[in-house]
Amino acid sequence: GQNIDQPTEMTATEGAIVQINCTYQTSGFNGLFWYQQHAGEAPTFLSYNVLDGLEEKGRFSSFLSRSKGYSYLLLKELQMKDSASYLCAAMDSNYQLIWGAGTKLIIKP
Amino acid sequence: GAVVSQHPSWVICKSGTSVKIECRSLDFQATTMFWYRQFPKQSLMLMATSNEGSKATYEQGVEKDKFLINHASLTLSTLTVTSAHPEDSSFYICSARDGQREGGETQYFGPGTRLLVL
Repeated sequence: GQNIDQPTEMTATEGAIVQINCTYQTSGFNGLFWYQQHAGEAPTFLSYNVLDGLEEKGRFSSFLSRSKGYSYLLLKELQMKDSASYLCAAMDSNYQLIWGAGTKLIIKP
Repeated sequence: GAVVSQHPSWVICKSGTSVKIECRSLDFQATTMFWYRQFPKQSLMLMATSNEGSKATYEQGVEKDKFLINHASLTLSTLTVTSAHPEDSSFYICSARDGQREGGETQYFGPGTRLLVL
């Protein structure tokens, strides 16, 4: 079956760094997405990885290891506005997104 | 770029009425559009996938006669909730992607529509 695993909730301190992990099992693979969703709002696109390695985009970076079925989202210099749910989604061979349940990130001052 | 709009953002209706939600890609052509539903504190649930000019593909457990989807153009898809009941109250979100261009795998989401059925 197809499955995405990510922690339910994480807590971090303002100004610190946090890494949100995601493991996936899909029928075929066409990339790994990370989205941010603030409470009561729709998801917004953060990153897309299809090749192994680290993609850096400002304070946010995303890493992929296809052989391990593993990705992480790294958030640096955390700000209070980064409090949100972070959704991991893997695209299968049919270009369908398989969604994780999301990781709720709580930032404390 | 890659802006998706939804209208309306809020709907309150009586039980038994039908509600239409529009999803538009504003600055790109959406070869594929997706409709999701999300209940409070739960993850996104894909309802259906629609390609322009063809019938939508519904996920298991989603009633196609209750949730009518029309993707008549490359920039517009509509979801009609027919004979809505209180249990249909939810956050409905559309997304769109342009599968014909490089990097077109990314889905871009509309702002969502909150439906409350009384």
